Amino acid sequence: EVQLVESGGGLVQPGRSLKLSCAASGFTFSNYYMAWVRQAPTKGLEWVASISNGGTTTYYRDSVRGRFTFSRDNAKSTLYLQMDSLRSEDTATYYCTRVYSMGIQYYFDYWGQGVMVTVSS
Amino acid sequence: DIVMTQSPTSMSRSVGDRVTMNCKASQNVGSNVDWYQQKTGQSPKVLIYKASNRYTGVPDRFTGNGSGTDFTFTISNMQAEDLAVYYCMQSKSYPLTFGSGTKLEIK
Repeated sequence: EVQLVESGGGLVQPGRSLKLSCAASGFTFSNYYMAWVRQAPTKGLEWVASISNGGTTTYYRDSVRGRFTFSRDNAKSTLYLQMDSLRSEDTATYYCTRVYSMGIQYYFDYWGQGVMVTVSS
Repeated sequence: DIVMTQSPTSMSRSVGDRVTMNCKASQNVGSNVDWYQQKTGQSPKVLIYKASNRYTGVPDRFTGNGSGTDFTFTISNMQAEDLAVYYCMQSKSYPLTFGSGTKLEIK
């Protein structure tokens, strides 16, 4: 059974840092792209970043590029999202997702339960 | 960035109704649109990928259509458990972008 379990969320002051983790199990982690999607309270879904299966290529939305760093440890089947210079607009539930990417298909086929990040003084 | 515009924002339907919602892309995305369902308090789930392909285990009352810039998502014979917010997403190019969602309520 595929499982994605996020951790590391919490309350942080603006300008500070936080590191999210996502522990994956139930599939061959190193074969899959992975991604983070976030959802601000009462708002819609917003893609944050994606990472290639080997971890060598990353993609970010403009509003987090230069502040967030997405990485992975395939030996530990774990993802990391280092979030620096946090802003109030980063307040959201962050979902870890598995990317099904085969040929021209691309979609998020498994999601974690989400972890809440609150940026406030 | 590609903007995905969903309509309507919300709708109220009765059990057994046919429900149709729309998603319009600001530029040609081919068939690279997926549909997700998010029930209250839950993580989203993929229902339709590549515009019209039903994900494994998804009931056949859920269908998707379209290509280019105009896409539709239909629930035939709506059930009470279909109460949710539905999002379209384009996977044609980064940044990946979602529509703002259509909230489906039970009349």
